[in-house]
Amino acid sequence: RKEVEQDPGPFNVPEGATVAFNCTYSNSASQSFFWYRQDCRKEPKLLMSVYSSGNEDGRFTAQLNRASQYISLLIRDSKLSDSATYLCVAREGRALTFGSGTRLQVQP
Amino acid sequence: NAGVTQTPKFQVLKTGQSMTLQCAQDMNHNSMYWYRQDPGMGLRLIYYSASEGTTDKGEVPNGYNVSRLNKREFSLRLESAAPSQTSVYFCASSERVSENNQPQHFGDGTRLSIL
Repeated sequence: RKEVEQDPGPFNVPEGATVAFNCTYSNSASQSFFWYRQDCRKEPKLLMSVYSSGNEDGRFTAQLNRASQYISLLIRDSKLSDSATYLCVAREGRALTFGSGTRLQVQP
Repeated sequence: NAGVTQTPKFQVLKTGQSMTLQCAQDMNHNSMYWYRQDPGMGLRLIYYSASEGTTDKGEVPNGYNVSRLNKREFSLRLESAAPSQTSVYFCASSERVSENNQPQHFGDGTRLSIL
């Protein structure tokens, strides 16, 4: 079983739609969490950290549910430029554990 | 400000050849990492260096060695390349490895093919 699991998608949504991704993690000792964005054949880039109280950055909202061990990312008013793979990441001790990513394709 | 710089960007090797992937960061970060990314498997940690002078194994260290040359540079060496090491390799850095909510900054990757 993977330590961080994501639905690989692809999620195909029209521009302007709201889309949500979930991610589950298996290690209850995981200390902190992130969402990274990766464009095709490019390096991962930090999108946002995830806090227990939930946090928002513009059109993006991240939530953490420690009891159920899942993390979510909500994207409102999707743009074509949001098309990418979104990586869920959990910190366990000194290492980051990456999910395999969820691919989003926003269509005109 | 270049961030994390990896060289080369592309490389093709024959089985059994050796090579070193170079990584340098100019953000004065203490910690550096090497990952490989394969289709459907996400990024997997090969080795990391919490600080200058220290290195530790990650999830998939076999077949690799690393050197933390100084605070800026962290190299990854394949002594005898195997086709299973065909992958995209990413170097990353962060301020400190053990502090929560410290994000990692990635280089733009090295695409390595081993024939």
